[in-house]
Amino acid sequence: NAGVTQTPKFRVLKTGQSMTLLCAQDMNHEYMYWYRQDPGMGLRLIHYSVGEGTTAKGEVPDGYNVSRLKKQNFLLGLESAAPSQTSVYFCASSLSGRSNQPQHFGDGTRLSIL
Amino acid sequence: QQPVQSPQAVILREGEDAVINCSSSKALYSVHWYRQKHGEAPVFLMILLKGGEQKGHDKISASFNEKKQQSSLYLTASQLSYSGTYFCGTELDRDDKIIFGKGTRLHILP
Repeated sequence: NAGVTQTPKFRVLKTGQSMTLLCAQDMNHEYMYWYRQDPGMGLRLIHYSVGEGTTAKGEVPDGYNVSRLKKQNFLLGLESAAPSQTSVYFCASSLSGRSNQPQHFGDGTRLSIL
Repeated sequence: QQPVQSPQAVILREGEDAVINCSSSKALYSVHWYRQKHGEAPVFLMILLKGGEQKGHDKISASFNEKKQQSSLYLTASQLSYSGTYFCGTELDRDDKIIFGKGTRLHILP
């Protein structure tokens, strides 16, 4: 049971470089989310998607872009990485956006920006 | 609006009970609880809905206060495996986005 898979697991970038984080889920979930987790800050929603071809902004969207061209994949892009984007990034998915639906998380991507 | 969790950290001995609180300035529609062990992904524990319905772990329970501005998570007869950071995620309206708190660190000693 793969569930939610994130790649890569670790990455070090230099300031100004770009990269894309990939999230894939095999549970046929409609909703997908990208969070960042910083020490003492909890999980903060960056962007989310309510279905294939849709995206929406979360709490901290600046500096990030996302795309959901296929239902099973949700990509998070950093166009010009900044040290403030050093964080652990988690992808999650849920069957729907209904209040009684849990989110299933991937193992995270640890990203360092030098 | 980010919910406020209390306590920030707690240390208990195996077998003791734990209570973790999650507070909001507004009435909540639902509260979602997750546990995260160090270096791992958050794992779903349970959902508490406005009407009192609960969904999730059978050894963990939760409740709302009268104004539904605070939820408490009850861990009974804690086990070593309960150690980790507990996050609450709150919804103000049905099917709304979930906003997570900063977490409560729980450490269970043998």
